[in-house]
Amino acid sequence: DQQVKQNSPSLSVQEGRISILNCDYTNSMFDYFLWYKKYPAEGPTFLISISSIKDKNEDGRFTVFLNKSAKHLSLHIVPSQPGDSAVYFCAAIVFGNEKLTFGTGTRLTIIP
Amino acid sequence: EAGVAQSPRYKIIEKRQSVAFWCNPISGHATLYWYQQILGQGPKLLIQFQNNGVVDDSQLPKDRFSAERLKGVDSTLKIQPAKLEDSAVYLCASSLTSGTTPYEQYFGPGTRLTVT
Repeated sequence: DQQVKQNSPSLSVQEGRISILNCDYTNSMFDYFLWYKKYPAEGPTFLISISSIKDKNEDGRFTVFLNKSAKHLSLHIVPSQPGDSAVYFCAAIVFGNEKLTFGTGTRLTIIP
Repeated sequence: EAGVAQSPRYKIIEKRQSVAFWCNPISGHATLYWYQQILGQGPKLLIQFQNNGVVDDSQLPKDRFSAERLKGVDSTLKIQPAKLEDSAVYLCASSLTSGTTPYEQYFGPGTRLTVT
């Protein structure tokens, strides 16, 4: 039972353009969402998060949007840079329970 | 600040052999997690410790996997006997005291296990 889904296994974007990574979830109990970035041979690193009481959170080039009614969130990267090439995981959590449920990841490739 | 340390980084064993992984979390982090990441999938939680105690081990295959956290700091994860389907990257993560937002977990580099 895949409660967090990232339906695009890969995405290629031209340098300087916007990258949009999508994530859908099925469990309505989730109330906090995180994005992690992973380079090869390294562990995932935290990128940005959003609480379910918000619909947008911004940090520099990274913005996460949450649509609770659609059970959908997206990560926008503007402008995209070569160093952004990595695998991005969406994760969700229920308040009071630190168990992260991860999606399957999207491999983002930024083309110079 | 030193990150989460894991060893070994790579391990190749034959099926039915045993293997152990070690993790040293970030100093002061009370919560420690072990994840299994199979190729093409997201990390899946195996076990969560809060200090010395187990908080969640519902997805740990207890017939072959075991884990302990020594004195609330370092942790070891053991597989005995290993099966082919245990081939994966085993990630250790830590976080500050539970109940604090943003629930950010810090991951180590992982141990890539290959069972032949």
